[in-house]
Amino acid sequence: AQSVTQLDSQVPVFEEAPVELRCNYSSSVSVYLFWYVQYPNQGLQLLLKYLSGSTLVKGINGFEAEFNKSQTSFHLRKPSVHISDTAEYFCAVTEMDSNYQLIWGAGTKLIIKP
Amino acid sequence: DGGITQSPKYLFRKEGQNVTLSCEQNLNHDAMYWYRQDPGQGLRLIYYSQIVNDFQKGDIAEGYSVSREKKESFPLTVTSAQKNPTAFYLCASSRTSGIYNEQFFGPGTRLTVL
Repeated sequence: AQSVTQLDSQVPVFEEAPVELRCNYSSSVSVYLFWYVQYPNQGLQLLLKYLSGSTLVKGINGFEAEFNKSQTSFHLRKPSVHISDTAEYFCAVTEMDSNYQLIWGAGTKLIIKP
Repeated sequence: DGGITQSPKYLFRKEGQNVTLSCEQNLNHDAMYWYRQDPGQGLRLIYYSQIVNDFQKGDIAEGYSVSREKKESFPLTVTSAQKNPTAFYLCASSRTSGIYNEQFFGPGTRLTVL
């Protein structure tokens, strides 16, 4: 992937409301896609990944993402957020012919309002 | 429990000093990585190693050095040649650098230059 774009640097949302974090990538070859979460002052943890098969991927903590090849997107969604979801979320992509090195988006901070 | 440890958690350095950040993993992973994280940016790859006694430069290797003498250890030295070293440094490992490139992250080291 030549680039990964996370369109929103911050997303504020009320507790128990749904949320979508957007991720678009540019690539001319097949890709694999990942979402990671980073809680304050911690390392990153894998939320979910798309390698092949169903384009709707379910991950941990109630998150899911849908791979849309025609729109080169991999948006992350959760139907009802909790205060504990406050974190920064990173989208990452790797191309099949790139020695599998990850290209990272700039991150989206999810801010949960009580 | 298996995982990745980084030490120290916080590190302060005077200008002109070299410092070494520790990264140890007991996951029996072959590949290890060092990333730099700055506010508002994604992760940028400094160095990676796919096997013991071998490593490659990432996107921002200038001013950094690494070694991989043992499978479980991948220390990073930030040299005085690095012009702006203040950042959050993350170490990661993966089973291989191949297709299932799920990277597991350590808790990070925050380096501040005084």
